[in-house]
Amino acid sequence: EIVLTQSPTTMAASPGEKVTITCRASSSVSYMHWFQQKSGTSPKPWIYDTSKLASGVPDRFSGSGSGTSYSLTISSMEAEDAATYYCLQRSSYPLTFGSGTKLEIK
Amino acid sequence: EVQLQQSGAELVRPGTSVKLSCKVSGDTIIAYYMHFVKQRPGQGLEWIGRIDPEDDSTKYAKKFKNKATLTADTSSNTAYLKLSSLTSEDTATYFCTTEGYPGMFAYWGQGTLVTVSS
Repeated sequence: EIVLTQSPTTMAASPGEKVTITCRASSSVSYMHWFQQKSGTSPKPWIYDTSKLASGVPDRFSGSGSGTSYSLTISSMEAEDAATYYCLQRSSYPLTFGSGTKLEIK
Repeated sequence: EVQLQQSGAELVRPGTSVKLSCKVSGDTIIAYYMHFVKQRPGQGLEWIGRIDPEDDSTKYAKKFKNKATLTADTSSNTAYLKLSSLTSEDTATYFCTTEGYPGMFAYWGQGTLVTVSS
């Protein structure tokens, strides 16, 4: 089973601040997918295939990485970006999620 | 527009079973692999398994192999998750989601809260 380790677990960012969330895999994966979840709602697809933004996602978000190291970056934090973000690998079964990064606004 | 409509909240007794449904509208279910994901209160997302409705083939996470059973009914465009021998550890919200166009887990149901309590 591929274990995904996200960091940080929680963080707070000021409006306009750059934010980077990291997801490290215990074995190499082909792509990483990212999801945003706000309290009491279903997760939403956020970044597909490492770097493709899902429909409606602001272009201040970006994704990058390869092999065992991937990241989600927000170029300039906005209040609406406060949420929990999860990474997901589908390169091998069982599919696995990272433990999540809770991002708060300062 | 593709939508996934899940069945309502369940309050169930320990040791019993429950069957949750996930109905796809706006497209045919055979266009997707259907996955189910567990989320315990205040916790992260956990993959349970997936079914290919076209041939009923399934994949499960190891810890759910004796807990969860996935089925699908193409005539009603619905996927099902049956959970057996329920304990308090099964208290959670269960989501269904799709694998297929336009991408991985593009569509999600609203979730079904299962509460296991005597």
